[in-house]
Amino acid sequence: GENVEQHPSTLSVQEGDSAVIKCTYSDSASNYFPWYKQELGKRPQLIIDIRSNVGEKKDQRIAVTLNKTAKHFSLHITETQPEDSAVYFCAATFTGGGNKLTFGTGTQLKVEL
Amino acid sequence: NAGVTQTPKFRVLKTGQSMTLLCAQDMNHEYMYWYRQDPGMGLRLIHYSVGEGTTAKGEVPDGYNVSRLKKQNFLLGLESAAPSQTSVYFCASRWTSGYNEQFFGPGTRLTVL
Repeated sequence: GENVEQHPSTLSVQEGDSAVIKCTYSDSASNYFPWYKQELGKRPQLIIDIRSNVGEKKDQRIAVTLNKTAKHFSLHITETQPEDSAVYFCAATFTGGGNKLTFGTGTQLKVEL
Repeated sequence: NAGVTQTPKFRVLKTGQSMTLLCAQDMNHEYMYWYRQDPGMGLRLIHYSVGEGTTAKGEVPDGYNVSRLKKQNFLLGLESAAPSQTSVYFCASRWTSGYNEQFFGPGTRLTVL
């Protein structure tokens, strides 16, 4: 089945610094790659996504890059703020119907003052 | 719109007891999903549905059953709860076409003693 690996599992940065989270996927047919943010005790919420026909997408301080050849994609957060502290999950679709997502194991991001 | 709702929010069961978790969405979404979230393991798909009257197995279906009698509702049942089913359960839904976002419910925290 589909496998998504996510690194690092924890990431601590100083406020204002950049944060990068990386994911790799196994199914070469995967064509949709969303990123979710989950605050403590809350539901996951989509923050950005990218399709397989696009190499990079940016939304204010957040960007995602995709390398289909290498089967990896990354989340970049610039000018980090304390409210960016949360768990971030990458995901990828995999074949078999239902547009199912396989999620990475999550990255706990802590932005320190 | 209420979006995706889940009941109950919390539940404690004894081993061997049964229960049903209810997911409801008012966005006329065709696809619905049940996930479980465990520390360090991300979100894992239990079962999903691509429309009223349909269900299919996900990554970790054992010990669970589902039903989708109405388009807006997706029920997750535990016939004989086990401590290994202690988890946070999330429901999600999305439209049929394209690469649309999965919208998550607020989650149900289940403890099996």
